[in-house]
Amino acid sequence: AQKITQTQPGMFVQEKEAVTLDCTYDTSDPSYGLFWYKQPSSGEMIFLIYQGSYDQQNATEGRYSLNFQKARKSANLVISASQLGDSAMYFCAMREGRGYGNKLVFGAGTILRVKS
Amino acid sequence: SAVISQKPSRDICQRGTSLTIQCQVDSQVTMMFWYRQQPGQSLTLIATANQGSEATYESGFVIDKFPISRPNLTFSTLTVSNMSPEDSSIYLCSVEDWAGGRETQYFGPGTRLLVL
Repeated sequence: AQKITQTQPGMFVQEKEAVTLDCTYDTSDPSYGLFWYKQPSSGEMIFLIYQGSYDQQNATEGRYSLNFQKARKSANLVISASQLGDSAMYFCAMREGRGYGNKLVFGAGTILRVKS
Repeated sequence: SAVISQKPSRDICQRGTSLTIQCQVDSQVTMMFWYRQQPGQSLTLIATANQGSEATYESGFVIDKFPISRPNLTFSTLTVSNMSPEDSSIYLCSVEDWAGGRETQYFGPGTRLLVL
């Protein structure tokens, strides 16, 4: 079974509107972390936001927020007030286990295009 | 946050040759990770490199093909050996960062490899 599922291969959003990128995950480990990364055409991986499995509140970082629904095993990324520079590939990733040295498993990604 | 640099940023190589990719971090880190991103695909972990011990390889990746060095806590190299066109990918190194008690994993800018 896929550990991380991103069901939206591509998304369009109008500039200045909000957009939600979906991510569901599968793990039986009670300790895990969820990450979102942005990959522009340059290829670099830009860290956006992190949510730990024991975090009580949804993570927020500026215009990015993570809608964490633990029972549903979903960790959707919400981008508010979209900008043209938000056009990129977005990856959801999971780290299973506690502590150091645990790898990330990535989803297939969602391409986001922001329209002016 | 950790600042990671990689050399070279891109290269075009002939099949049968080898390329060594360098990853330098501006702070001491315990674990460094090497990922591969094939064209149009997501990221897949190649191996985890811990200073002072042999790297741990993921299923489907072997040391003879992807030897890794980790001579100190700020530096690692990945060699892609006996290259074929199927090795054409972006290769990224990443590190964990626990600054402020929050987990983050940062990536280097990547090395774009094209094998002819």
